[in-house]
Amino acid sequence: QVQLVESGGGVVQPGGSLRLSCAASGFTFSTYAMHWVRQAPGKGLEWVAFIHSDGTIKYYADSVKGRFTISRDDSKNTLYLQMNSLRAEDTAVYYCAKGARYSYDAFDIWGQGTMVTVSS
Amino acid sequence: DIVMTQSPGTLSVSPGERATLSCRASQSVITNLAWYQQKPGQAPRLLIHGASTRATGIPARFSGGGSGTEFTLTISSLQSEDVAVYYCQQYHNWWTFGQGTKVEIK
Repeated sequence: QVQLVESGGGVVQPGGSLRLSCAASGFTFSTYAMHWVRQAPGKGLEWVAFIHSDGTIKYYADSVKGRFTISRDDSKNTLYLQMNSLRAEDTAVYYCAKGARYSYDAFDIWGQGTMVTVSS
Repeated sequence: DIVMTQSPGTLSVSPGERATLSCRASQSVITNLAWYQQKPGQAPRLLIHGASTRATGIPARFSGGGSGTEFTLTISSLQSEDVAVYYCQQYHNWWTFGQGTKVEIK
């Protein structure tokens, strides 16, 4: 079945780095745009980053621009989020999500999320 | 940036009754509007896209409407399993979510 599985979360000190991964299965990964979305504890959803199916177009929320990098490896059906210069306010559950039919579309499949805690 | 505002913050509805949730965009998003359901401890699930098209497997009691800046999500007959937080999202200009409406059983 169509599935996204995130990994790589954990506890990191402020200023540190972490790389999240999202393994995709059950669909042709290379033909879909992908996203990262986060949710701080007890808060709502915040879109974080987008990568086009061809990997050349990337967008970031202002809150993470210059610190986070989204990438994909279609040979491994895997999406990544490299997070540098982490701050306490980056503490959240991070979800990867699949774009629906078009590049700029709703998110039709979500992973279960991975928790990132930034704390000293 | 397009700001999405949902109302009310919390909605208490008796089982079998109708629940109506609202979402307003700060500028027109045409019908590039989605609704998601998030149950406690779970990932969000797509309910509606294109403002009114149910996603695959979504029960017919869920319906969406509206265009431009005003949108609604209606649950025609609330079931206990519908207790959740519901988010609207625009995808007309990048992607932004509303703050959510919590639906509970009265």
